Amino acid sequence: ILNVEQSPQSLHVQEGDSTNFTCSFPSSNFYALHWYRWETAKSPEALFVMTLNGDEKKKGRISATLNTKEGYSYLYIKGSQPEDSATYLCALAGSGAGSYQLTFGKGTKLSVIP
Amino acid sequence: GAGVSQSPRYKVAKRGQDVALRCDPISGHVSLFWYQQALGQGPEFLTYFQNEAQLDKSGLPSDRFFAERPEGSVSTLKIQRTQQEDSAVYLCASSWRFASEQFFGPGTRLTVL
Repeated sequence: ILNVEQSPQSLHVQEGDSTNFTCSFPSSNFYALHWYRWETAKSPEALFVMTLNGDEKKKGRISATLNTKEGYSYLYIKGSQPEDSATYLCALAGSGAGSYQLTFGKGTKLSVIP
Repeated sequence: GAGVSQSPRYKVAKRGQDVALRCDPISGHVSLFWYQQALGQGPEFLTYFQNEAQLDKSGLPSDRFFAERPEGSVSTLKIQRTQQEDSAVYLCASSWRFASEQFFGPGTRLTVL
C-alpha cells in the first residue's frame, strides 16, 4: 500500500502572501505525481503531472517541483488571491501494472483571506 | 462544457436502500475510474474500466458495491443495502488512455441515514 502524506492539513494566508505545501511519497516504484486543485462543489482540476526527478512546472502564479529520489514534491503559490482558496491534492501513480491507479494524500485546505 | 458529469450530485438514502450513481465520461475516453472520498480522507480507488471491461475492482469495499459500463461510455456505480459507512463523496474520472491524465467529475455526495 502506497502512503502519500500532505502537509500542512490546512492553511490560512492573507491575500498577497506566498505559500507552499508539501507532498511526501515512497520513492520506490514511482511513475508520476499529480497535483489537483479542488474547489468546493466543483470538479477536481488537474494542475500538473510530473514524472522526472528535478522537474519544475509552472502555471501562472502556481509552480511545483519534484524530487523522486527523496520522495517529495512542493507546490508554491505566489501572491495568493481569494480565488486560490481550495483543497490541493497530490496523487501518486506507482510503477508497474497498476500505474493507472492514483493514491491520494488527504489534501491541504488553503483559505486566502482578502 | 464537455467535462465529466455525474448524477445525482447529492443523494440521501436510508440504511438498507439501494442506490445507483451515474457517470458520463468525456466522449472518446477509453479509461474510467471510480474513487471514494470519506470525510477527512483523500479519494481512494475503487475500480477501473477500459472500454466496457472492468479490469480492476480491487478497491471495492464489499460485495455490496457493483460497477458497470456496458457500452464503454456511461458507467453506473451501484451500492446495495447501504450502510452508514458508505457515506462519502463518490468521484468518477476518465482518461483517453491507460495511465494518462485523469479528468474528474464533481462527485456525488452520498449520505446514508
